[in-house]
Order: sequence, then C-alpha cells, then structure tokens
Amino acid sequence: AQKITQTQPGMFVQEKEAVTLDCTYDTSDPSYGLFWYKQPSSGEMIFLIYQGSYDQQNATEGRYSLNFQKARKSANLVISASQLGDSAMYFCAMREAYNAGNMLTFGGGTRLMVKP
Amino acid sequence: EAGVTQFPSHSVIEKGQTVTLRCDPISGHDNLYWYRRVMGKEIKFLLHFVKESKQDESGMPNNRFLAERTGGTYSTLKVQPAELEDSGVYFCASSQGAGDEKLFFGSGTQLSVL
Repeated sequence: AQKITQTQPGMFVQEKEAVTLDCTYDTSDPSYGLFWYKQPSSGEMIFLIYQGSYDQQNATEGRYSLNFQKARKSANLVISASQLGDSAMYFCAMREAYNAGNMLTFGGGTRLMVKP
Repeated sequence: EAGVTQFPSHSVIEKGQTVTLRCDPISGHDNLYWYRRVMGKEIKFLLHFVKESKQDESGMPNNRFLAERTGGTYSTLKVQPAELEDSGVYFCASSQGAGDEKLFFGSGTQLSVL
C-alpha cells in the first residue's frame, strides 16, 4: 500500500488566489512527522513546512500552512496568495518514528502551475 | 553558508560504464542521505550515513551501487556497471541531527544511461 498519496498530478491556480495540494498518508506508527518540499525547475528540493503527529496546532510558515486532519490521515498544503514563483513540483513526505534516522517516504508529487 | 552541493548536475553514460556522483553536505552535518527518483516513480531512500558510517543502506537497489563517505565529509555514490534502469535523478541531503525536522537537499544529479 502507498504510504503517501498525492492524488493531483498537476494543478493550475490563478495568481493571488489560494490553492490546496492534497496529501494523504498511511501509517500505524503513533509518532510521525509530515513534510512538504518544493522543487522548482532548478532542481533543488526546498523544505517548506513540517507537522508533527502530536502537534496540537496546524503548522504555518509565511504563506504556507498545513491542514492537518489526523483522523482522516491527511496533511494538505495550503498556499495563500499564489505567486508566479510558486510554480513548481510539490512533494509530501513522511518520517515514521521507528526509523532510526531521518528516512523520508515521498509521494509522487503535484506539479503546480500559477497563471498570471 | 553553502548548501548541499552535488556534482555533476548531469551525466550521460552508456550502459556498462561506471559513473561516480559526489555530494558535499552542509558543513557540520553528520547525517548524509542519498535518495533517487526514477522516471515516473516516487523519490526513494537509498542510504544514510552518520559521519563515515553507514547507518542504513536498506534502500540500495543492488551491489552495483557503492556509497562511501570519506572521513565523514563528502560522499560518493558509484554505479558500476550502469544499467538502463539506473537512469533518474539522484539527490543528496544532509541534516545536523538524525531527527531534525529540516533535511537540506541538493539540486540532484540527473543520470541518463543510454
């Protein structure tokens, strides 16, 4: 079974509008962390936001927020006021506590295209 | 502060040849990881170094892949001999602590095996 599922291979959003990128996960580990990364055309993976499974509040980082619904096992990324520079691939990832290190399991990614 | 750097950015080789990818982590980061994304598939973990020691190499696909981390600094990933299915993007990442929230990635090496 897929551990991380991103059901939207590609999305368009109008500049200045908000957009939600979906991510659902599957784990039996009570302690885990969820990550979102951005990969622009230049190739590097840029860390955006992190949510721990025990965090009471949804994580926010500037224009990025994570809509964490633990019971539904979803961790959607919300980008407010989209900018042209937000056009990129976005990856959701999970780290489970039983991993000794920092191994991340990634979803297939969503390509976001911001229209002017 | 310099980020994670990878070299080369692109490599095109023929099946059966050898290729060596290099990763320089952020200075002071003990933890170094290799991931790869094969065309059309998810990014997959390959292995994890803590300093010069291999902490977890469960993701290495087969014995054609050899990773080293000399003196706990930079790391190399050698593929010998390369096969067509090895084509993809190879990412390196580093973090200070193993459980750090932020894992800093490099720009990746695009490997094409013809």
